Amino acid sequence: GAGVSQSPSNKVTEKGKDVELRCDPISGHTALYWYRQSLGQGLEFLIYFQGNSAPDKSGLPSDRFSAERTGGSVSTLTIQRTQQEDSAVYLCASSSVGTSGPSSYNEQFFGPGTRLTVL
Amino acid sequence: GDSVTQMEGPVTLSEEAFLTINCTYTATGYPSLFWYVQYPGEGLQLLLKATKADDKGSNKGFEATYRKETTSFHLEKGSVQVSDSAVYFCALRDDKIIFGKGTRLHILP
Repeated sequence: GAGVSQSPSNKVTEKGKDVELRCDPISGHTALYWYRQSLGQGLEFLIYFQGNSAPDKSGLPSDRFSAERTGGSVSTLTIQRTQQEDSAVYLCASSSVGTSGPSSYNEQFFGPGTRLTVL
Repeated sequence: GDSVTQMEGPVTLSEEAFLTINCTYTATGYPSLFWYVQYPGEGLQLLLKATKADDKGSNKGFEATYRKETTSFHLEKGSVQVSDSAVYFCALRDDKIIFGKGTRLHILP
């Protein structure tokens, strides 16, 4: 069975360019999460989707960051006018949703990540 | 706000040594607690979890006990193997998952 997949696996871009990162969650998982893993900073929550809506965008670091999800499946994280401090590994995870709603715990399955380098 | 603090690495041990990776948390509610592991070249995987005070999570010889009185969830293993070399993340979930910064573990043969 397929796990969470992300593309590209590596992306090198120049400062000021826009980038799009893609996440394909596990089939049937309604919840999807984006995280950022920076060197020495651990994992930083960015945004959470339930279906196609994003009830929690609190982790997006600036208005240059946006994400969408269509068809309750694939999600795209877009970073506009990239800066060097955006360099990190961007991780996507998906999970099913428990009966108590988004706050109930169902295991998150992580993708391999996209390593973004902004020159 | 909620936070997780775990010991900084890298931690280097010889095979068959006893392992402890400390983790403490701050939370306003009653979070669930987790340890995730990231093996070289692989994605994050859930290692173990505990959902309430005094629960013990265990998997692959690793254990961690949810200690509300000390707000801790230390990871332990009695005899580590080279294959345990990885980065370990402590995490809590209240309304969202919050991760610690990770501890890199090196096991020498």
